[in-house]
Amino acid sequence: EVQLVESGGGLVQPGRSLKLSCAASGFTFSSFAMAWVRQAPKKGLEWVATITSGGSNTYYPDSVKGRFTISRDNAKSTLYLQMDSLRSEDTATYYCAKEGYTFGVMDAWGQGASVTVSS
Amino acid sequence: DIQMTQSPASLSASLGETVTIECRASEDIYNGLAWYQQKPGKSPQLLIYNANSLHTGVPSRFSGSGSGTQYSLKINSLQSEDVASYFCQQYYDYPTFGAGTKLELK
Repeated sequence: EVQLVESGGGLVQPGRSLKLSCAASGFTFSSFAMAWVRQAPKKGLEWVATITSGGSNTYYPDSVKGRFTISRDNAKSTLYLQMDSLRSEDTATYYCAKEGYTFGVMDAWGQGASVTVSS
Repeated sequence: DIQMTQSPASLSASLGETVTIECRASEDIYNGLAWYQQKPGKSPQLLIYNANSLHTGVPSRFSGSGSGTQYSLKINSLQSEDVASYFCQQYYDYPTFGAGTKLELK
């Protein structure tokens, strides 16, 4: 069974940094692209970042480009999201997702990590 | 960015009823469309990919159709466990999601 467990969320002041982790199990982590998707309170879903299976290519929307960095450690089956220069609008639940079938299809999701950016 | 317009925003239906949710893309997405279900307090779960392919383990009362810029999700014989929000998502380009449809029981 695929399991994705996020950690590292919390309350952080504007302008500060936070790093999320996602521990994966139940599948061959190194064979799949992975993504982060966020959901602001009572709002819809927003794709945040994707990394290819080997880690050589990363993709971001303009809203986080230059501030967020996705990375992975295939030896540890762990995905990361480094978030710098955080803003109040980054407040959301952040989900780790496995991409399957094809690029962009998220076929398994974690339970989410809550990030609140506030002074 | 490709914009996804989903309708309706909310929907109330009775048990056993057939429900349809629509999604329109701002340009042709060549069937690069997925549907997700999110139950209250839970993470999203994949239902449909490639516009009409059922994800493993998803009940057959769920189906997807469409092409070009217009797509739909149909739920036949609505069950109580189908109460959830539903999101469409295109992946022809960098992923973008529709705003969601909240489905409630009448």
